[in-house]
Amino acid sequence: DVKVTQSSRYLVKRTGEKVFLECVQDMDHENMFWYRQDPGLGLRLIYFSYDVKMKEKGDIPEGYSVSREKKERFSLILESASTNQTSMYLCASSLLVGTDTQYFGPGTRLTVL
Amino acid sequence: TQLLEQSPQFLSIQEGENLTVYCNSSSVFSSLQWYRQEPGEGPVLLVTVVTGGEVKKLKRLTFQFGDARKDSSLHITAAQPGDTGLYLCAGALYGNKLVFGAGTILRVKS
Repeated sequence: DVKVTQSSRYLVKRTGEKVFLECVQDMDHENMFWYRQDPGLGLRLIYFSYDVKMKEKGDIPEGYSVSREKKERFSLILESASTNQTSMYLCASSLLVGTDTQYFGPGTRLTVL
Repeated sequence: TQLLEQSPQFLSIQEGENLTVYCNSSSVFSSLQWYRQEPGEGPVLLVTVVTGGEVKKLKRLTFQFGDARKDSSLHITAAQPGDTGLYLCAGALYGNKLVFGAGTILRVKS
């Protein structure tokens, strides 16, 4: 079974702090994704990566950056956290882009005070 | 506005009832996926439909892709408390990305 793990289930940070969210997948998938999930808005794509050191902006990249130094690890960085970044963050991976199944981690609920 | 509109947003029913969740768009998708998400977990894929008009069954769940590949439905027969969760549809636009609907929260009471 594919396993996608995220470094924290819950995080509380203060406005202006730098925040790192880590995601690791164990199935040698090429593609990894970061989404945020908010009530009534569904999942919105922040960034995705289709290869090591490659990244593409999603629909809402502002205020975020990502890093993929190793194939299995994809990090989401909030350079200066703001209260409007309080959300559930979901990481996913897939073997192929587009129609392929995405495997999700359990999510990190981030609260920015 | 959402590219994929799901309805209803929330559904609370008694065990044994039937229900249908709808996913609609003005865009054409190369395929459409349905995911189910339980509290505290990430979404898990239930099914992918690819061909216009396609119907797939997964035990008591029936999924249909519209003929024009712009809409889909999920029908649950004789709902069980274990069906409780958030149901998400996700359309694959020609190219790469998946676009998710806002989801339908289903609560099945025993």
